Amino acid sequence: DGGITQSPKYLFRKEGQNVTLSCEQNLNHDAMYWYRQDPGQGLRLIYYSQIVNDFQKGDIAEGYSVSREKKESFPLTVTSAQKNPTAFYLCASSRGRGIYSNQPQHFGDGTRLSIL
Amino acid sequence: DQQVKQNSPSLSVQEGRISILNCDYTNSMFDYFLWYKKYPAEGPTFLISISSIKDKNEDGRFTVFLNKSAKHLSLHIVPSQPGDSAVYFCAASWTTDSWGKLQFGAGTQVVVTP
Repeated sequence: DGGITQSPKYLFRKEGQNVTLSCEQNLNHDAMYWYRQDPGQGLRLIYYSQIVNDFQKGDIAEGYSVSREKKESFPLTVTSAQKNPTAFYLCASSRGRGIYSNQPQHFGDGTRLSIL
Repeated sequence: DQQVKQNSPSLSVQEGRISILNCDYTNSMFDYFLWYKKYPAEGPTFLISISSIKDKNEDGRFTVFLNKSAKHLSLHIVPSQPGDSAVYFCAASWTTDSWGKLQFGAGTQVVVTP
């Protein structure tokens, strides 16, 4: 079955550490996205990518970094510069832009990051 | 500045009755709207969408209505079932942006009671 796999499901970070969240998709989607969800809030866009080796900042990119070396993979690094990293992180993918821009995004099951 | 708003954080409905969820938006450039359903500790699941060239779209028990002049959309679930208990997110995008970015509302928690 095609889908989006996020790992790990739960992650704990010590203050001052960088951590990387994994996101892999086998849907052959061009576009991938990272969102953050906090309690009582909607999803907020961190970074997005429409094509390999290209990505753009979303609404809350400060303290985060990404890479897109392969079409299937879009890892997110939460750096020590992110002052409030405790949240639920969701990765999504879609077919992409142009004639496919009216296509829904499909989500993984998320990673919950907590600070020790 | 939140461009998509769901002003009701929660909704309780009896099994078999209609659930009506509301969503308002401020950006007149939005032309594609979606509803997602989310269970705890899981990712959102796509439910239904509507393009701005339509005012209604149906899929089984789910119907989405769009009122462009009022910048308002709603999701009707008929009949409501216990498995519909979840958080529902409204989302919007504009195709001229062409990046497929979505703006999400804060969500409405639906509880379907027996």
